[in-house]
Amino acid sequence: GAGVSQSPRYKVAKRGQDVALRCDPISGHVSLFWYQQALGQGPEFLTYFQNEAQLDKSGLPSDRFFAERPEGSVSTLKIQRTQQEDSAVYLCASSLAPDRVVGYTFGSGTRLTVV
Amino acid sequence: KQEVTQIPAALSVPEGENLVLNCSFTDSAIYNLQWFRQDPGKGLTSLLLIQSSQREQTSGRLNASLDKSSGRSTLYIAASQPGDSATYLCAVRPGGGADGLTFGKGTHLIIQP
Repeated sequence: GAGVSQSPRYKVAKRGQDVALRCDPISGHVSLFWYQQALGQGPEFLTYFQNEAQLDKSGLPSDRFFAERPEGSVSTLKIQRTQQEDSAVYLCASSLAPDRVVGYTFGSGTRLTVV
Repeated sequence: KQEVTQIPAALSVPEGENLVLNCSFTDSAIYNLQWFRQDPGKGLTSLLLIQSSQREQTSGRLNASLDKSSGRSTLYIAASQPGDSATYLCAVRPGGGADGLTFGKGTHLIIQP
């Protein structure tokens, strides 16, 4: 596609509910990143994939957070037993190359509200 | 742990003024630094990317400089326009094995018509 697509745009979840957030990166982009952005803050790194391999998950805040990219394209971020502090915008970004010369393209994000 | 600070947190200026946004980072071992723009309810748009070996990058009315040794970058916006109103985020990419960007909290910019 022309850009990074994320769905849904908005998600309201009751506390304790499981949610799944989807990211469609730009076709052919090798690297995929997930970030969490709380209100009034900058994005914070969650996890990184190179193709289907999850190379870094050091930013995942707890074992309730799980991400996958089974075929090296679409990625899903799953949050189990959501809590109010999980309320944030979840941003996905992709990059053509695994090296660090090129920059990222970000999606518009999914705004998660846990009530 | 890398920390990125952006000053000022908010800025409101009349249209036409030249302005400077500041970014500082605590660990100078970076691979590159990137400036982004974020509009309300939208994702991030990359403005300028400066590799650690470079001193500055320019795109139209935007100029970004990097002083890696002192841990500083500035984003210069010339002849500001109301359409420049947005939040500007600075992010650094580490020079070691990690790949995630570390972001500042951003500067919320308002250009008054």
